[in-house]
Amino acid sequence: GQNIDQPTEMTATEGAIVQINCTYQTSGFNGLFWYQQHAGEAPTFLSYNVLDGLEEKGRFSSFLSRSKGYSYLLLKELQMKDSASYLCAVKDSNYQLIWGAGTKLIIKP
Amino acid sequence: ETGVTQTPRHLVMGMTNKKSLKCEQHLGHNAMYWYKQSAKKPLELMFVYNFKEQTENNSVPSRFSPECPNSSHLFLHLHTLQPEDSALYLCASSQDPEGNSGNTIYFGEGSWLTVV
Repeated sequence: GQNIDQPTEMTATEGAIVQINCTYQTSGFNGLFWYQQHAGEAPTFLSYNVLDGLEEKGRFSSFLSRSKGYSYLLLKELQMKDSASYLCAVKDSNYQLIWGAGTKLIIKP
Repeated sequence: ETGVTQTPRHLVMGMTNKKSLKCEQHLGHNAMYWYKQSAKKPLELMFVYNFKEQTENNSVPSRFSPECPNSSHLFLHLHTLQPEDSALYLCASSQDPEGNSGNTIYFGEGSWLTVV
C-alpha cells in the first residue's frame, strides 16, 4: 500500500529552528508538497519539490531525497504564528495525491 | 482568502436530515475536489470533477452525492448520514487534476459537519 509518515506533534521555541520530517512509500513519484493548516482554516500551499535538493523560500525550506523516500520542512526564526499543522503529500504515478496525517507544531514563547 | 469559498462553515444535522454543502471557486480552475478531514487522519479524497465530469469516486457511500453544474461550483448533498461522518469537509480546486506534476491544489476553509 501507499503510505506517508510524519510525526504527530512537535514542540519548538520561538526564534528557534525546527525540522519536520516526512517519509513516503508510494507507487511512483511525481512531486512532493508541503501545506500549512492553521486550526479552523484552509490548508495553504507552502512548497513543491520534484528534484532532489533544497528549495528555499524565506524562512521556510523544503528538502527532498527521492532515493531515500524522504523530505523535510525546515522552519527558521520561528514565530508564534507558525503554530499550525503541516501536511506532507506525494503525487504518485497516477498523479493522485497521497496525504500524510499532518504534524501539529506548537510554538512556545 | 484562497479563492475557494465554502458554505456553510458549520452544520449540525440529524441522521434523517437532507442537507447540502456548497463550494465556489473564483480561480478559473477546471478541476474541483471534495475531501474529508478527520482528526489525526490523512485527508481522504472523496470525489474529483474535471471540466464538470466526475473522474474519481473513491468508494464513497451513496449517502454522499456530489453535483457539479459548472466548473466554478460544486455541491455535496448529504442524506441519512451516520455519526461517524462527522468531520471537516474540504473543497479544493486546481488548474487540472493530473499531467502537470506541480499542479497546486487550493483549498476552501471547510465545512464542519456534526451528525447527531
